[in-house]
Amino acid sequence: DVVMTQSPLSLPVTLGQPASISCRSSQSLVYSDGNTYLNWFRQRPGQSPRRLIYKVSNRDSGVPDRFSGSGSGTDFTLKISRVEAEDVGVYYCMQGTHWPRTFGQGTKVEIK
Amino acid sequence: VQLVESGGGLVQPGGSLRLSCTVSGFTFTDYWMSWARQPPGKGLEWVASVKQDGTEKNYVDSVKGRFTISRDNAKNSLSLQMNSLRAEDTAIYYCVRGHRETYYWGQGTLVTVSS
Repeated sequence: DVVMTQSPLSLPVTLGQPASISCRSSQSLVYSDGNTYLNWFRQRPGQSPRRLIYKVSNRDSGVPDRFSGSGSGTDFTLKISRVEAEDVGVYYCMQGTHWPRTFGQGTKVEIK
Repeated sequence: VQLVESGGGLVQPGGSLRLSCTVSGFTFTDYWMSWARQPPGKGLEWVASVKQDGTEKNYVDSVKGRFTISRDNAKNSLSLQMNSLRAEDTAIYYCVRGHRETYYWGQGTLVTVSS
């Protein structure tokens, strides 16, 4: 199975400051169609996960432009340019290239 | 788009349970469908996926031989038959549209395996 490793697992951030989460995969996530199926989700307590980013860097509709995704191959990053209070939650990366699909362990973002 | 799970509950170890997911707002037959789960207080785990016509299915190793994913395209319905349940299967089970770019998730149904 492809192992997805996130860091850090806990991320206290000051409002208005940037934040960055790393996600590394044990195998390349480039699929045979040329796409890289790496998604980012945020989950708030008591809610279902919400997708923020798909195929590494594509922001979903309604997601603020302070969120950005980057990376390639096995190394990916989610960045928040200026953290706001509503950004708290647990962030997960997920690969959709290999079976079985796998998630990172999650990174808890909280306000200092 | 709506995905509504049902069928969760308390079951004894070794028992069985069948989860259902009824969908609306999109053409069911256009999409793979999946189940994912989340143990209380823990992270997400993908469980199984089924192709549009039901001819291809994939499972995480921990449920192979015990769980069966299926779909009824006439009823816009997805199911997960869970047999030989274990304590470690305790989780919220989510119905998910797709398997690569999984945007739509249901609200989940809680399965508790305990004596």
